[in-house]
Amino acid sequence: LAKTTQPISMDSYEGQEVNITCSHNNIATNDYITWYQQFPSQGPRFIIQGYKTKVTNEVASLFIPADRKSSTLSLPRVSLSDTAVYYCLVGDFGGRDDKIIFGKGTRLHILP
Amino acid sequence: NAGVTQTPKFRVLKTGQSMTLLCAQDMNHEYMYWYRQDPGMGLRLIHYSVGEGTTAKGEVPDGYNVSRLKKQNFLLGLESAAPSQTSVYFCASIMREGTTEAFFGQGTRLTVV
Repeated sequence: LAKTTQPISMDSYEGQEVNITCSHNNIATNDYITWYQQFPSQGPRFIIQGYKTKVTNEVASLFIPADRKSSTLSLPRVSLSDTAVYYCLVGDFGGRDDKIIFGKGTRLHILP
Repeated sequence: NAGVTQTPKFRVLKTGQSMTLLCAQDMNHEYMYWYRQDPGMGLRLIHYSVGEGTTAKGEVPDGYNVSRLKKQNFLLGLESAAPSQTSVYFCASIMREGTTEAFFGQGTRLTVV
């Protein structure tokens, strides 16, 4: 598992684009980058995963530079309902890594 | 297709009592995990299993035991509950290869008084 560093908290306003960056300097060749979202009183929910360049789905985009030592989760035009904790995980889950370890995540607070 | 189901959803225990939390998944997943989450904190891994009949310790295993007798079920036991085990417990499962997508249950809120 690669150690990850992400901001503890962020505030933004409705309608804005939010970018959350995660640093993972010791990412390994087979590691994937995965982001989860957790609302209060619920279990985490998978948002997006990627290996390199850019991945986009109906919820978010994930940008990964060529050196893969960081990644950025981008949430377009956020709403109040995007207030949640966002976790960045890096590893070869189901392969080399058996454990799925969550860090403290980034607490995103969307303001009206 | 129910996904990952945890039983019970809520429980209050007295110090020293024992209980078992059940996690059931119907997706034929190999890997299963138990986490605890204290207020305002991230998830901490208690125990996990990489297949039927296997278990392993996570970050905070003390005071808990687990069993995976059937592939679809992962049980978490508290032999002698303590107030420090008051927490929300989440179970998760993942397919073995080629994915990083874990599926989580709805959580069990446990209070030990």
